[in-house]
Amino acid sequence: EVQLVESGGGLVQPGGSLRLSCAASGFTFSSYSMNWVRQAPGKGLEWVSYISSSSSTIYYADSVKGRFTISRDNAKNSLYLQMNSLRAEDTAVYYCARTITLAAAGPHDAFDIWGQGTMVTVSS
Amino acid sequence: QSALTQPASVSGSPGQSITISCTGTSSDVGGYNYVSWYQQHPGKAPKLMIYDVSNRPSGVSNRFSGSKSGNTASLTISGLQAEDEADYYCSSYTSSSTQVFGGGTKLTVL
Repeated sequence: EVQLVESGGGLVQPGGSLRLSCAASGFTFSSYSMNWVRQAPGKGLEWVSYISSSSSTIYYADSVKGRFTISRDNAKNSLYLQMNSLRAEDTAVYYCARTITLAAAGPHDAFDIWGQGTMVTVSS
Repeated sequence: QSALTQPASVSGSPGQSITISCTGTSSDVGGYNYVSWYQQHPGKAPKLMIYDVSNRPSGVSNRFSGSKSGNTASLTISGLQAEDEADYYCSSYTSSSTQVFGGGTKLTVL
């Protein structure tokens, strides 16, 4: 079964850091680009970041640029999101999502597989 | 990058058809054929319903269809069923090499 499972969420103080993980199974992880998408409580979806299959291409939303870092370990079938200098407005459920196209060259493709999400709460 | 514009809510009766619009600019929806649509039930992860404007992933009912005209994309659901009641989000690739979502539309099946 194709599956993505996020972990690492929790409560953190403003200015703090957190590292999210996403474990992939059931498909050849190293062949697919990956993304992080978040959803604040009661709000809509917001794309956060993209990483190509080989990690050679990375993009971020302006709202997280300079504070968040996306990475992956294809040997461990895992995707990561290092979040620093966290703000209250970063409070959200964070989803990892697979890009639908094999070896996609950029963040233009749709997201066909999603994890169940992990909640991040930034509050003092 | 501003969010794409969707109606906050739409409704329809079982068996009817509804259309949800998604309006952007020439820098996103109008500039690329990379519009996708997602369905999200409460407390669940989003599910891809349409990609590249009008393509359906395997397993998605053919009652769901997508189209685009200029800077506006549309999702049409025909033969409405109770299980279609959910939030729907559009998304588009942008000229800034990012993705932008719409604000979401709550579909109520009367």
